Order: sequence, then structure tokens, then C-alpha cells
Amino acid sequence: DAEITQSPRHKITETGRQVTLACHQTWNHNNMFWYRQDLGHGLRLIHYSYGVQDTNKGEVSDGYSVSRSNTEDLPLTLESAASSQTSVYFCASSEYSEQGDTQYFGPGTRLTVL
Amino acid sequence: TQLLEQSPQFLSIQEGENLTVYCNSSSVFSSLQWYRQEPGEGPVLLVTVVTGGEVKKLKRLTFQFGDARKDSSLHITAAQPGDTGLYLCAGEETSGSRLTFGEGTQLTVNP
Repeated sequence: DAEITQSPRHKITETGRQVTLACHQTWNHNNMFWYRQDLGHGLRLIHYSYGVQDTNKGEVSDGYSVSRSNTEDLPLTLESAASSQTSVYFCASSEYSEQGDTQYFGPGTRLTVL
Repeated sequence: TQLLEQSPQFLSIQEGENLTVYCNSSSVFSSLQWYRQEPGEGPVLLVTVVTGGEVKKLKRLTFQFGDARKDSSLHITAAQPGDTGLYLCAGEETSGSRLTFGEGTQLTVNP
């Protein structure tokens, strides 16, 4: 069965370190997204990609970067981790249908920056 | 950025009661989606409404899209403890595949 996975599921790091969160999907979807989820803010879009070599900034992109070298993967990098980036991160992929753009979410990565 | 206001933020009710969750915006969306999220997991799509005025039913859950495609509601009839979870509405922007999420409603149904 097709799926979307994230790794690691939990990560503790220190302020200033570079961290990369992995996202891998086997749906063969062109669209991929990274969100962060914090209490009182719901899900906020960090970066997204509509295909290989395409990346775009979302509403909270400062301090984050992504790259899309193949269809299956969209890794998220925190260049220099800050305590404000402690959050739960979700990756999603989607495809368009007549019923709209359905997004399929990974299980999330809980990141703690000390 | 389009905004979605979801209310209430928290809801605690007894088994068998009815409830309604609201999702409102000043912006028009091409579709409105409702997700449910369990602790430690990612959101899972419940339903997508596309046409203004559309009503969809999923067992005891009824979803409605406003005529102007700016708002939506989720009504649960005779809530059960298994309905407990975080409910999220998300609007699909007219200009692409991006979703704007509401803050979520944490529902607790007590036996």
C-alpha cells in the first residue's frame, strides 16, 4: 500500500545545530508540503513543492529550507535550530481530483530544541 | 494569506449530545475540507465539500459548505466517545493546491 513516512519520529537537539527531517512518500504525488503544528495555531505551512526541482515558501518559512531532487522525498532542513522551532512537524503529499486537492499526512516528527 | 477562524476551540460534552463546529472566513475557497486528528498521528481527511450550499453526510456527521464558499460547519448527532479528537477545517486556495487550516476544535465526548 502507498504511504507517507517521516523520520525521525522524535528528535532532541541543541540551539544552533543543523537538523534535517525526512519525508518519503510512495503515492507518486507531485505535490508535497511541510507544516508545523503548535497549540493555538493549527497547522501552518512552511514550504511546499509542486514537483522535482520546484520549491516554494509558505507562511512561516524563515529558518527552514527544502530541496526536491526526486518525486518521493522532500527533506526539511533547519539551518540553525532555535527554541522557537520546537514543534510537531507534519509532511503531506497530494494529488488533484475533481473533489479538490486531498492531502495525505505523515505521522509527524516531534522536535525539541534545547 | 487567507485566514480561517474555527470555533469553538475546545468542546467537552456528554455521550448522546449533539454539537456543531464552525469554520468561517472572509475569503472564498475552491473547496473546504474537514480532517480529524488522533494524538500522535497526522490528520486524516473526513470529507471535501466543493459546491456552494453542498451538504454531505458521513454516518452521524453532517458537513455543510456555505452558499458563498466562505464558511462551513460540521454537525455531529448523538456524539460517542469514539468521536473524541481534534477536528480541523482547511480551505483550498483558489490559486493552487495549498490549504489554509483553522486552529482546530478539540472535542472530548465523555461516557
